[in-house]
Parts: sequence; C-alpha cells; structure tokens
Amino acid sequence: AQSVTQLDSHVSVSEGTPVLLRCNYSSSYSPSLFWYVQHPNKGLQLLLKYTSAATLVKGINGFEAEFKKSETSFHLTKPSAHMSDAAEYFCVVSDRDGGYNKLIFGAGTRLAVHP
Amino acid sequence: GAGVSQTPSNKVTEKGKYVELRCDPISGHTALYWYRQSLGQGPEFLIYFQGTGAADDSGLPNDRFFAVRPEGSVSTLKIQRTERGDSAVYLCASSSPPGSRTSTDTQYFGPGTRLTVL
Repeated sequence: AQSVTQLDSHVSVSEGTPVLLRCNYSSSYSPSLFWYVQHPNKGLQLLLKYTSAATLVKGINGFEAEFKKSETSFHLTKPSAHMSDAAEYFCVVSDRDGGYNKLIFGAGTRLAVHP
Repeated sequence: GAGVSQTPSNKVTEKGKYVELRCDPISGHTALYWYRQSLGQGPEFLIYFQGTGAADDSGLPNDRFFAVRPEGSVSTLKIQRTERGDSAVYLCASSSPPGSRTSTDTQYFGPGTRLTVL
C-alpha cells in the first residue's frame, strides 16, 4: 500500500529565507508524487508532480522538489519565501492499484511566513 | 475555462437530516473523485467515478453515504441520517480518464463544501 508521511505539521520561516517541507513516501512500485497547496477558503492547487521523468521537479511559484529513491523522500523547497506562500501544503502519492489515480494525502504542513 | 464547481459552499444541518452535495466537473473530464477532509487532516478518498459508474466506492465510510453521476457529468454525494462526525469539508476533483491520450494524472479540485452537523 502507498502512503506518505509529512515530517513537520508546522513550519515557520521569515520572508526571504529558504523553505523546506519534508515528505517521505512508501510505495511498492515507482510512484507518482505530488505537492498540493491549500490557501484558506480556497481549493487545492497542484504545485508540482513527479512521474518518473527528471528527479528534480520544478513547479509553480518558484517551488521545486527532488525525488530521492534511496531515501524515499520528496521534499519541497523554495529559495526565498514570500508572505503569499503562507498556506497548508500536502504531499500526495498516487495509488494506481485499480488502474486509476486514487490520491493518498499526507496530514499536511502548515507554513507560516513572518515579515 | 471553468474549473470544478461545488455547491453549496457551506451547509449547516441538524443531526439525523439528509443532505446532498453537488459537484460540477471540468467539461470533458470523465473521471470524478470525492474526498473528505476532516479538521486538521489531509483529504481522504471516498469514491471514484469513470463516466456514470462508480468504479471504486471503497472509501465511503458506511451505507449512509451514497453518490451518483447519472449522466456522466454532474455528481451528487448524498448523506442520510447525518451525524456530528460527518462534519468536514467534502472535496470533488476531476481529471482526464486514466490511460487516455490526454491524461495528465492531474486531478483538479473544487473549492469544497463545508458541512457542519449540529
């Protein structure tokens, strides 16, 4: 069975400093992995996805993530945080056992950005 | 183009009542998913439709929950005899059919319906 673990429930950074949100996955085969962001009272928005192409994935708004099979990790990073990045972030793995994409979400990491 | 829409955005009901939550997927998306997000948690899968049929309803918590998609577009999630534990945000997502030439593996989410059972 597929699963993801987000290692931090809350992360707080200052504006302009780097962001690191950590995620470990468990999968019995080569996984599809995603990061979604959820701003208050808004829908989930896809930041980026990994589907067995390049291991370094670039997403929207300057975010990127690196797939590391040896570490079973898919951490999300951004060089410089903006106030608008404050939101809930979900690491997600796709369970394809049924031939379709059932998404399995982590518990989420709440990112706070301080001036 | 229009994204996934869900109505109502908020629903407050009393314990024991029946509720219906509606999802309008992106036009042309034959795959439709329902998820439930309880407070402080990530969304959890409820049910998947490919066209009109529920291909996987293994995430529905019990037989009080039911979903339909009679014409392969709009879907309705129905909850009978609501309980306080049903309070959550119910999310709908749609995507191109898996394995199709246009499939991108990407699910597009609606804004959700916040259900509160008093």
